[in-house]
Amino acid sequence: QKEVEQNSGPLSVPEGAIASLNCTYSDRGSQSFFWYRQYSGKSPELIMSIYSNGDKEDGRFTAQLNKASQYVSLLIRDSQPSDSATYLCAVTPSGNTGKLIFGQGTTLQVKP
Amino acid sequence: SAVISQKPSRDICQRGTSLTIQCQVDSQVTMMFWYRQQPGQSLTLIATANQGSEATYESGFVIDKFPISRPNLTFSTLTVSNMSPEDSSIYLCSVPKDANYGYTFGSGTRLTVV
Repeated sequence: QKEVEQNSGPLSVPEGAIASLNCTYSDRGSQSFFWYRQYSGKSPELIMSIYSNGDKEDGRFTAQLNKASQYVSLLIRDSQPSDSATYLCAVTPSGNTGKLIFGQGTTLQVKP
Repeated sequence: SAVISQKPSRDICQRGTSLTIQCQVDSQVTMMFWYRQQPGQSLTLIATANQGSEATYESGFVIDKFPISRPNLTFSTLTVSNMSPEDSSIYLCSVPKDANYGYTFGSGTRLTVV
């Protein structure tokens, strides 16, 4: 079992729709969770972080965390073609080592 | 938040040679991380570079292949040694963005080994 799992996609949504990206993780001791966006040929860019159960909203983005289910998700409302990218879920493993474990990423395509 | 300058941005190297990648941070950071992103894949942590001590390598990565230097709190290098085509990847350094607020990445080094 991979430590952090994501559906690689591609996930295709029409412009203006809600895109839902999901991630599961295996380490129950994980405390910090991040969503990165990576455009082709670019380095990852942090878009959301979440540390406690529930929802966290920032503009069109909402991160959701359920530690009991070891599940974290990212919702993108009013999706735009510029949101087309690969979204990487990252988790800090238990032990406070500071490192991140990444999922394989989900490719999102927003069609005009 | 920290700003990272990474270079070179890309290089094409002959097999059997070595390449050193540099990351300069505009503020002092305790930990720096080196990642590899193989074509079409996600990021895999190579090692954690701590100032004043040897780097800590992840499973599957060894110091002889990926020696790391960390001479001070703002600078680190990763060397890819005795390269083969399988080393063709993007290499990225990363530092904490803010306290407990994720991590920022350098712009990456796209390495092609021929």
